[in-house]
Amino acid sequence: DTEVTQTPKHLVMGMTNKKSLKCEQHMGHRAMYWYKQKAKKPPELMFVYSYEKLSINESVPSRFSPECPNSSLLNLHLHALQPEDSALYLCASSSFQTSGKETQYFGPGTRLLVL
Amino acid sequence: SQQGEEDPQALSIQEGENATMNCSYKTSINNLQWYRQNSGRGLVHLILIRSNEREKHSGRLRVTLDTSKKSSSLLITASRAADTASYFCAILNSGGGADGLTFGKGTHLIIQP
Repeated sequence: DTEVTQTPKHLVMGMTNKKSLKCEQHMGHRAMYWYKQKAKKPPELMFVYSYEKLSINESVPSRFSPECPNSSLLNLHLHALQPEDSALYLCASSSFQTSGKETQYFGPGTRLLVL
Repeated sequence: SQQGEEDPQALSIQEGENATMNCSYKTSINNLQWYRQNSGRGLVHLILIRSNEREKHSGRLRVTLDTSKKSSSLLITASRAADTASYFCAILNSGGGADGLTFGKGTHLIIQP
């Protein structure tokens, strides 16, 4: 199974809402990532988890709160977002095995609209 | 920034023709990767070329790397309508552990039937 799944596919939320994005992989990967992609732009790294510990936070505002409850799951909790946070949120995972650690496997993304 | 810069930003060709996309970067690298993205969805890894390699093939894909010029190219031969997508080069932010990728701006490729 080389699939990374993300739910929901689409999400519309108001600026006062609290919502969560979910990502799951069953490839045994111990590195997981969140990226944000605005329209017609490349993905930009937000967070990196290594062995369920947050290892990189690319100066992301605190209204985005990541969580890695176990080695297969990665969540992104959203609170008090702004309209400019509307984007495609991509989850990815990778292995720590030497031969495959550079390749990242991406989920299909959650398209978020903040009203 | 290690960000790759791709050109052209958009490319439209006829089915069956070859498509070439270029990527330039700023710092030393261990490897460079190419990813494809269909219609704003998830990215798919296409090919990785290491800094000690000059050329690599995978099916209809051919990637070259020139570390002296800090540039790479992706050639898709005998293009098909299904190749319509955005193509990004990507560089690992550093060599160890779990690192994020820094992507180039991407080339949007349209294959006309």
